[in-house]
Amino acid sequence: AQKVTQAQTEISVVEKEDVTLDCVYETRDTTYYLFWYKQPPSGELVFLIRRNSFDEQNEISGRYSWNFQKSTSSFNFTITASQVVDSAVYFCALTLNAGGTSYGKLTFGQGTILTVHP
Amino acid sequence: GAVVSQHPSWVICKSGTSVKIECRSLDFQATTMFWYRQFPKQSLMLMATSNEGSKATYEQGVEKDKFLINHASLTLSTLTVTSAHPEDSSFYICSARDPDRGEGGYTFGSGTRLTVV
Repeated sequence: AQKVTQAQTEISVVEKEDVTLDCVYETRDTTYYLFWYKQPPSGELVFLIRRNSFDEQNEISGRYSWNFQKSTSSFNFTITASQVVDSAVYFCALTLNAGGTSYGKLTFGQGTILTVHP
Repeated sequence: GAVVSQHPSWVICKSGTSVKIECRSLDFQATTMFWYRQFPKQSLMLMATSNEGSKATYEQGVEKDKFLINHASLTLSTLTVTSAHPEDSSFYICSARDPDRGEGGYTFGSGTRLTVV
């Protein structure tokens, strides 16, 4: 079975600070996808990134960056120069690759509530 | 990416009544949809996998007679909460594989907040 752990329940920062959200995952499969989603107060899930288990390259998208390290089974998410609009719940998730019985099923972490104060 | 339309956004119902939630894939066919449930300040838990033209597959601990799932067409999946009780109050959200995002890409509906009084 898969497991995703987001140890940080809540994080509070002041605007313009950098913040890193941690994500540690467990799976016996060698092929899988990792995701980060943002959930604002309205509830919808906003897709941020997907990473294939074979691609360990870090990625940067504007103020967002992701650090994927298979050696430590971690997929951390950093927001640089945080803004009030970044306040939301952030979820890390994992799904197995095609062919398995768990294909398509997302296993979510517990979520991290990020509050950015002005 | 593709869009999944979910309705209603919120619903309040009386205890003992049934509530139907719809998820429609717009401009693409979703042979499989997933239904998740989220209690306040908690994570999303997969309830069931909805397959077009066949019975849904429920996760362990989910009552299939209480949460009826129908996937009668390639663009519509419905979740009916039967004989709802206050403990069923939750946020329900569906997802489908997004054909525009390739392998491993999923798009979510906007969710339905159910309150049973």
